[in-house]
Amino acid sequence: QKEVEQNSGPLSVPEGAIASLNCTYSDRVSQSFFWYRQYSGKSPELIMSIYSNGDKEDGRFTAQLNKASQYVSLLIRDSQPSDSATYLCAGGAAGNKLTFGGGTRVLVKP
Amino acid sequence: EAGVTQFPSHSVIEKGQTVTLRCDPISGHDNLYWYRRVMGKEIKFLLHFVKESKQDESGMPNNRFLAERTGGTYSTLKVQPAELEDSGVYFCASSHILGDGNTIYFGEGSWLTVV
Repeated sequence: QKEVEQNSGPLSVPEGAIASLNCTYSDRVSQSFFWYRQYSGKSPELIMSIYSNGDKEDGRFTAQLNKASQYVSLLIRDSQPSDSATYLCAGGAAGNKLTFGGGTRVLVKP
Repeated sequence: EAGVTQFPSHSVIEKGQTVTLRCDPISGHDNLYWYRRVMGKEIKFLLHFVKESKQDESGMPNNRFLAERTGGTYSTLKVQPAELEDSGVYFCASSHILGDGNTIYFGEGSWLTVV
């Protein structure tokens, strides 16, 4: 089993809809999690971090962590064409070492 | 403020040649990381510097890879001799401090193709 798993997509959503991305992790991964957005050919950019169970909201983004189910999700509300990118889920460990999932490609259609 | 910069952005070399990738972290960031993404795989950790010291090099694939960070500023990652399976994107990242709440900033990557 991979340490961090994501559906590769593409996840296609109409403009204005909610995009829902999921990520599961194994016991070997630490309990802090990060969502990065990566446009093609660009650097991964941190959009959300979450360290404790529950929801965390920041603008149009909501991250949810469920440690019992080893599951972390990202919701993007009011999706815009500019949200079209690959979203990377990562677990953090000591020394800020990150373990990434393969990424989910999101396509927002006007 | 300049972000993490990497050079070269793209490199095509023949199998058996040597390539040196450079990373300039954000000024003042003591922590510097190298990651790699090979085709079809996830981004994987290679190593972590704290200033000029290697804190964790558990992800380095083999002894053909040598990373240095003399003086604790910029870092280089040398691949010698390069093999076909070394092709991929090499990302450098930096952060100011460790621990929760700290942001790790990534560069745009150095795309390496070994032919």
